[in-house]
Amino acid sequence: SQKIEQNSEALNIQEGKTATLTCNYTNYSPAYLQWYRQDPGRGPVFLLLIRENEKEKRKERLKVTFDTTLKQSLFHITASQPADSATYLCALVMDSSYKLIFGSGTRLLVRP
Amino acid sequence: TAGITQAPTSQILAAGRSMTLRCTQDMRHNAMYWYRQDLGLGLRLIHYSNTAGTTGKGEVPDGYSVSRANTDDFPLTLASAVPSQTSVYFCASSDGLAGVRDEQFFGPGTRLTVL
Repeated sequence: SQKIEQNSEALNIQEGKTATLTCNYTNYSPAYLQWYRQDPGRGPVFLLLIRENEKEKRKERLKVTFDTTLKQSLFHITASQPADSATYLCALVMDSSYKLIFGSGTRLLVRP
Repeated sequence: TAGITQAPTSQILAAGRSMTLRCTQDMRHNAMYWYRQDLGLGLRLIHYSNTAGTTGKGEVPDGYSVSRANTDDFPLTLASAVPSQTSVYFCASSDGLAGVRDEQFFGPGTRLTVL
């Protein structure tokens, strides 16, 4: 069956450390992968997109990797801050449609 | 710029009643989407529209209908609500010109409780 898996348990880290979130998928062949941030009571906000032929993408303190062999994307936040505390969602994009397929998200807590 | 607005913010609805959730965008985006978000299940696509005048079914379309009479508006209707439709509903839009890789812009959500 097709699955997208993100850690359901919250990731709790100290301010200043690097947060690493994982998105694994099974029986999908996405052309792209997107990451979104969602704060409580709000809609998701787009962060980064990475293509299947890109190994890594960076934006300020954010870095995303995409390994189509492992069927995994890693999302890193360096020098994390309490303001980075939120739920982070990965979403697969199939080449054949406009549709995003979302993971259930991982909650990140950054302690001051 | 408002982006995407949704109304109402929240609603309690008796089972069997009908309701329309409203969604309006001011970005002139071609594509619009409706998702529901349930704890532990993530966002699931209900219906989508690639352009005004066309709609399509997503992952969980049963019990819902949509229309896209113009570019800006994409209402979602529950004809006869059931408790399993209790959820948070998000409307989203994307430019659509770059195809599937477009980022999606989300509204603030409507929290619906069906009793």
